[in-house]
Amino acid sequence: QKEVEQDPGPLSVPEGAIVSLNCTYSNSAFQYFMWYRQYSRKGPELLMYTYSSGNKEDGRFTAQVDKSSKYISLFIRDSQPSDSATYLCAMSGGSNYKLTFGKGTLLTVNP
Amino acid sequence: EAEVAQSPRYKITEKSQAVAFWCDPISGHATLYWYRQILGQGPELLVQFQDESVVDDSQLPKDRFSAERLKGVDSTLKIQPAELGDSAMYLCASSLGATGPGEQYFGPGTRLTVT
Repeated sequence: QKEVEQDPGPLSVPEGAIVSLNCTYSNSAFQYFMWYRQYSRKGPELLMYTYSSGNKEDGRFTAQVDKSSKYISLFIRDSQPSDSATYLCAMSGGSNYKLTFGKGTLLTVNP
Repeated sequence: EAEVAQSPRYKITEKSQAVAFWCDPISGHATLYWYRQILGQGPELLVQFQDESVVDDSQLPKDRFSAERLKGVDSTLKIQPAELGDSAMYLCASSLGATGPGEQYFGPGTRLTVT
C-alpha cells in the first residue's frame, strides 16, 4: 500500500460545478497537508497549506483534513476553465518534513 | 514576484552521456529540494539541502546522480551516465524555514529525454 493514494481521474465537469478532490494516507505521522496545482509542462503551484485537522478556505478553494479517517479533500466552488490542471495532494511529518505526493488528479472544466 | 529559476527547460541527451541541471532558489530560502516527476506520477524527492548541507539524499541513485549547493545558494544536479529510465521532469523547489516543511515553491522544471 502506498503512503498516499489519490484517484488519478481524469475528472471532467461543466463550468460552475463544485469539484471534490480527495486523498487518503496511511502514515499517522503526517501533520502538514498541502494541495498543489500543476498546469501541463509547468512546475506545481502551492494552492493550500494546512496543519492538522480542520478546514481552511481561500476564495473558491476549501481544504479539509480529517486525521481520524486519514482523509483530505479539496473543494473548488464555481469551477472555471482556468482551473483545468492536475491537482496534487502532498503531506509531511517526521524529522525532516519530507513531502510525499499523491499521483495527482487530472481535472478538466468544460466551458 | 520571486520565483525559483531552473535551466535548461528542456534537454535531450543520448544514453551514457552526462547531463546537468541548474537551480536558483528564491532569495533567502535556506532549504532547497530536487524532485523527479515521472509522467503521470507525483514528484519524488531526490535530495534536500539545508544551506549547503545535504539533509536527505536517501532516494538519490548515488552511482550516477550527484548534487551540490556549494555556497548555499544555487544548486546543480548531475547525471552521469544517463539511462533511458531517467527520462522525467526534474523539479527544484525551495522553502524559507529550517524547521517544519514550510511552503515549498517549485520552479518550472527541466524536462529530460534520454534517447
